[in-house]
Amino acid sequence: RKEVEQDPGPFNVPEGATVAFNCTYSNSASQSFFWYRQDCRKEPKLLMSVYSSGNEDGRFTAQLNRASQYISLLIRDSKLSDSATYLCVVRQFDYKLSFGAGTTVTVRA
Amino acid sequence: GAGVSQTPSNKVTEKGKYVELRCDPISGHTALYWYRQSLGQGPEFLIYFQGTGAADDSGLPNDRFFAVRPEGSVSTLKIQRTERGDSAVYLCASSSGLNTEAFFGQGTRLTVV
Repeated sequence: RKEVEQDPGPFNVPEGATVAFNCTYSNSASQSFFWYRQDCRKEPKLLMSVYSSGNEDGRFTAQLNRASQYISLLIRDSKLSDSATYLCVVRQFDYKLSFGAGTTVTVRA
Repeated sequence: GAGVSQTPSNKVTEKGKYVELRCDPISGHTALYWYRQSLGQGPEFLIYFQGTGAADDSGLPNDRFFAVRPEGSVSTLKIQRTERGDSAVYLCASSSGLNTEAFFGQGTRLTVV
């Protein structure tokens, strides 16, 4: 079983729509959780950390459910510039980052 | 430099050859990671350094892969007797501490022909 599993998508949504997707992780002892964004042929960049109480950063909302071992990301009012691959990342043992395969989102005009 | 720098950005090599990939982390960052990413996949962990020592090399696929960080800054990933299956983007990341953001370089795209 992979350490981090994501719905690969693709999610194809119109501008202004809301899109949400999840990932699940296998290690209940995982320490920290993140969403990274990766554009085509570019390096991953941190989008936001995910906290137990849930957190927002502008149009982005992240949730963590430790009991069910899943993390979610919701994007409101989608922009063309939100088109990217979103990587779910789980930190093990305070250093090792484990990545999901990514969820592809395409926002169309 | 301001970010993580990786060289070369692209490397084409023949099967069986030896290659070295270099990573120059953000100044002062003690933690350094190497990852490998194949098309359509997320980055796959290879090795982690804390300072000069490899704290975890469990992701190295076999003994053809080796990495060093002799002075606790620049790191080199070395691949011997390259195979076509080694073709991927090799990503390096650094962070300032155990639970802080990891910043990635733009990667080295390795193609073994």
